[in-house]
Amino acid sequence: AQSVAQPEDQVNVAEGNPLTVKCTYSVSGNPYLFWYVQYPNRGLQFLLKYITGDNLVKGSYGFEAEFNKSQTSFHLKKPSALVSDSALYFCAVHNTDKLIFGTGTRLQVFP
Amino acid sequence: EAGVAQSPRYKIIEKRQSVAFWCNPISGHATLYWYQQILGQGPKLLIQFQNNGVVDDSQLPKDRFSAERLKGVDSTLKIQPAKLEDSAVYLCASSLGTSEFTDTQYFGPGTRLTVL
Repeated sequence: AQSVAQPEDQVNVAEGNPLTVKCTYSVSGNPYLFWYVQYPNRGLQFLLKYITGDNLVKGSYGFEAEFNKSQTSFHLKKPSALVSDSALYFCAVHNTDKLIFGTGTRLQVFP
Repeated sequence: EAGVAQSPRYKIIEKRQSVAFWCNPISGHATLYWYQQILGQGPKLLIQFQNNGVVDDSQLPKDRFSAERLKGVDSTLKIQPAKLEDSAVYLCASSLGTSEFTDTQYFGPGTRLTVL
């Protein structure tokens, strides 16, 4: 069965420091991977996706993600965190017929 | 470009009552999705429409949930009768519908349902 795992419920980072939010996947066939962000009382906003090609995908708000096939990972990264990046982040995989979301990682950026 | 619109934003009902949510997708988007997001979990797909036809409703509790997308544009999701475990945020999303696997889904703000 297709699935994604976000092993950390919460990630804390100081403003200005690099951040990483982890995601691993399990799919049969080619994975189509997505990252979404959810701010309080708002819907999910699309950040970036990996379909094929370059393993490093650049997205909105300075975020990027690295697809690693051997480690079945798709970690979200940003070189310098902002307090405004504090939100709930979801990794998702699209395989066969639906988008399957992870359980989410809460990112807290401290000033 | 206007985003996905949903209403109401919040709804509180008693168990066994009925409730309906409305969604208007991004103009020109052929595919529309309804998700249920329970607190502390990721969204779970309830139903997917392609134009006005149902593509996937395998996770929709059909004994109490129903959804329609008349004319292939806006959609309503209904719960009748509601149970306590239906308390969740109901998210609507839409996508162009040009690719089954790689389309980006765009989400509305959601409707937070509380069942007492």
